Amino acid sequence: DAGVTQSPTHLIKTRGQQVTLRCSPKSGHDTVSWYQQALGQGPQFIFQYYEEEERQRGNFPDRFSGHQFPNYSSELNVNALLLGDSALYLCASSKYRTSMDQYFGPGTRLLVL
Amino acid sequence: QKEVEQNSGPLSVPEGAIASLNCTYSDRGSQSFFWYRQYSGKSPELIMFIYSNGDKEDGRFTAQLNKASQYVSLLIRDSQPSDSATYLCAVNTGANNLFFGTGTRLTVIP
Repeated sequence: DAGVTQSPTHLIKTRGQQVTLRCSPKSGHDTVSWYQQALGQGPQFIFQYYEEEERQRGNFPDRFSGHQFPNYSSELNVNALLLGDSALYLCASSKYRTSMDQYFGPGTRLLVL
Repeated sequence: QKEVEQNSGPLSVPEGAIASLNCTYSDRGSQSFFWYRQYSGKSPELIMFIYSNGDKEDGRFTAQLNKASQYVSLLIRDSQPSDSATYLCAVNTGANNLFFGTGTRLTVIP
């Protein structure tokens, strides 16, 4: 049973560039949530996708956008990168309204120079 | 503002001892509570969750919830060096997303 997968594992970008991160949920899960984890902090909720729609959003600017595909996989896009966007980006999958527990992928470590 | 507070540590315990990790939360509407373990450079791994007041045991781990005091804890019995990690407390207020504390770093000394 495949767990949550994310790509790429590491990424280096420069300020002002755009980045796309990808996530495939655990088998049987239909909901994908994205989190940002800065060094020494807990993960912060960015947004959640279900049925190809953004269902909830945390306190992140519009530079952060996403998409969910019919196969439940998801993308996180960040435009106009800032140095402060450097973090570990985590994808978590769950079963919508069935289970509260979320399972995390290995994450994508983004460094903005 | 939903807040989850944890003592950042580090918490050091000798091998075989009980490690006690604590967490408080501000939103009284919080419905479910989670403990994740995160090794350095890795993603969070779900240890256990609890919904109801009282204790819930799973192997060497026991989660305790007191909604009146807005307090949740994790006890690790017979601590092992492999338990050395950062433990994240997370709260779900019913909106199906998680609010995390900053984590407590635990070191188990052989």
